[in-house]
Amino acid sequence: EDQVTQSPEALRLQEGESSSLNCSYTVSGLRGLFWYRQDPGKGPEFLFTLYSAGEEKEKERLKATLTKKESFLHITAPKPEDSATYLCAVLDRGSTLGRLYFGRGTQLTVWP
Amino acid sequence: ETGVTQTPRHLVMGMTNKKSLKCEQHLGHNAMYWYKQSAKKPLELMFVYNFKEQTENNSVPSRFSPECPNSSHLFLHLHTLQPEDSALYLCASSQDPGPGNTIYFGEGSWLTVV
Repeated sequence: EDQVTQSPEALRLQEGESSSLNCSYTVSGLRGLFWYRQDPGKGPEFLFTLYSAGEEKEKERLKATLTKKESFLHITAPKPEDSATYLCAVLDRGSTLGRLYFGRGTQLTVWP
Repeated sequence: ETGVTQTPRHLVMGMTNKKSLKCEQHLGHNAMYWYKQSAKKPLELMFVYNFKEQTENNSVPSRFSPECPNSSHLFLHLHTLQPEDSALYLCASSQDPGPGNTIYFGEGSWLTVV
């Protein structure tokens, strides 16, 4: 059973059409929630870390928010270069240090 | 330029071959990791090393053998693999394995077992 669930699995947006990606988690105690971007054939690229409910982080067109059970990655006025798979991962308070639990990702396509 | 470098980027090996994946991090980190990414599955932790010592083996089959000679280098030795082991193998590093330390990934090594 996945401890991290991302939705939707795939999302197609027209350039400029804002939307949000969801990451829900079921770990018992959250030490941190991480967002990564992964381009085809490449390793995940770190975007944000969130530690507590109510926290928000921003980077260019991306904004990540965190509640007690889920996180959202808001994409404002996306561009084609934002097309990638976005991965969410959590660090559980009860898990071995360094063990991130990843979701399956949301594949985002932004067309011009 | 990535701070975590993996070689080779692509590897095709037979089930009876022995090969190795290499990882080097230039970030001055103390912890290094191997993750596996299979199609349609979440990234899965394989091994964790902290200051060259293995601190986590996530029930990985013995046909995968890690080696960490120092905090900057990590190897994954492969022998008698199965076709289902074909995947993207990602090396990563962090300052240490503690909470709050961001894990940075390399570009990955694509492994195909034939």
